Parts: sequence; C-alpha cells; structure tokens
Amino acid sequence: KNEVEQSPQNLTAQEGEFITINCSYSVGISALHWLQQHPGGGIVSLFMLSSGKKKHGRLIATINIQEKHSSLHITASHPRDSAVYICAVEKGSQGNLIFGKGTKLSVKP
Amino acid sequence: DTEVTQTPKHLVMGMTNKKSLKCEQHMGHRAMYWYKQKAKKPPELMFVYSYEKLSINESVPSRFSPECPNSSLLNLHLHALQPEDSALYLCASSQVAVQETQYFGPGTRLLVL
Repeated sequence: KNEVEQSPQNLTAQEGEFITINCSYSVGISALHWLQQHPGGGIVSLFMLSSGKKKHGRLIATINIQEKHSSLHITASHPRDSAVYICAVEKGSQGNLIFGKGTKLSVKP
Repeated sequence: DTEVTQTPKHLVMGMTNKKSLKCEQHMGHRAMYWYKQKAKKPPELMFVYSYEKLSINESVPSRFSPECPNSSLLNLHLHALQPEDSALYLCASSQVAVQETQYFGPGTRLLVL
C-alpha cells in the first residue's frame, strides 16, 4: 500500500464547479504539500501545511492530522486550473517528500 | 527573485557519454534537491543537500553523482547512463530542509540512447 493515496485519479469538471481532491497518508509527517504540475513539466508549490487550513485566492487546503487526511478545494473552477495536482508528505527531518500519484484535473469551458 | 533555473532544457546522450545538469537559485536557500520523474508518474526524490552537504541519497545508482559547489549551485553529473534513466530531472530549493515550501525549476528532459 502506498504511503500517500490520492483520490480521485482523474477528475473532469465544468467551468465554475467546486472541486475537491483528497489525500490520505499512513505515516507520521512533519508537513504536507500540495503541488500543481502543468503539461510540460513545471511544478508549482500551492500550499505547505502542518495543521488547520490555508487559503490562497480560489484555492483552499485543509489538513486533519488525527485522521491523516488533507483536502484541496478549488472554488469557481476555470479551464486554466487544468493540471495534475500532487499531494506530498514530508516524513523525515531532512525535507524528503513522499509523493502521491497525482490527480489529473480537466476543467471544461 | 523566486526562480530556480536549470540547464540544459533538453539533453540527448549516449550510454558512454558524460554530461552534467546544472541548477541555480539566488534566493539564499540552503536546501537543494534533485528529483527524477518518469512519464505519467510522480517525482521521486534522488538527493537532498542541506547547507552544501549531502544529507539524503535515496539509494541512487553511482552513475548519478551530485555536487554542490556553493549554496547557489547544484550539479548532477551523469556517466554511463542506461535508456531507463530517460526522464525529467527536476531541481528544487527551499529556505531550509524542513517544513518549507520547495521551489521547483522547469526541469531537464533527458533522453538516453
């Protein structure tokens, strides 16, 4: 079993819809990261969380440490949000990330 | 300047070649990382440098040799690679190695023939 599980693997939404991507992990962590990767390879860090909730524009990330679960929400989705969203957990004390398999999001106009 | 730069963008090499990938950041970050990403897979950590010292080597074959000559620069020396080493190689940096946002470069797409 992977240490980091994401769901769904693929997600198609209509423009304007509210989107939720889930991440569950099975190990003790010091932080959880949400990353966005567009076709062509560039990776952008969206959030780094160790507790609670963070918001940036239309993106909201939450984490429940007791339940070992995090969610990434996108409000008022737009075609430019189409990308792969990756959850990664920071397990040790040296910055090593363990990545989930990613969620491929496609937002249709 | 919040940019991590990587050169070259693309690299084709034969199995007997020696080449190097370069990564640079000028954000004053003291942790730098090499990741390998195969097509349609998530990145996999290869190496972590913290304060110019190698702190993590994720059992990477010796044909990959990292080097951190100073706090702004990270190299990955390649020698006698195999076709299965073809991948996107991503560099990242963060302020320090723990609980910090990692900033990623655009990657070097490597093809080994």
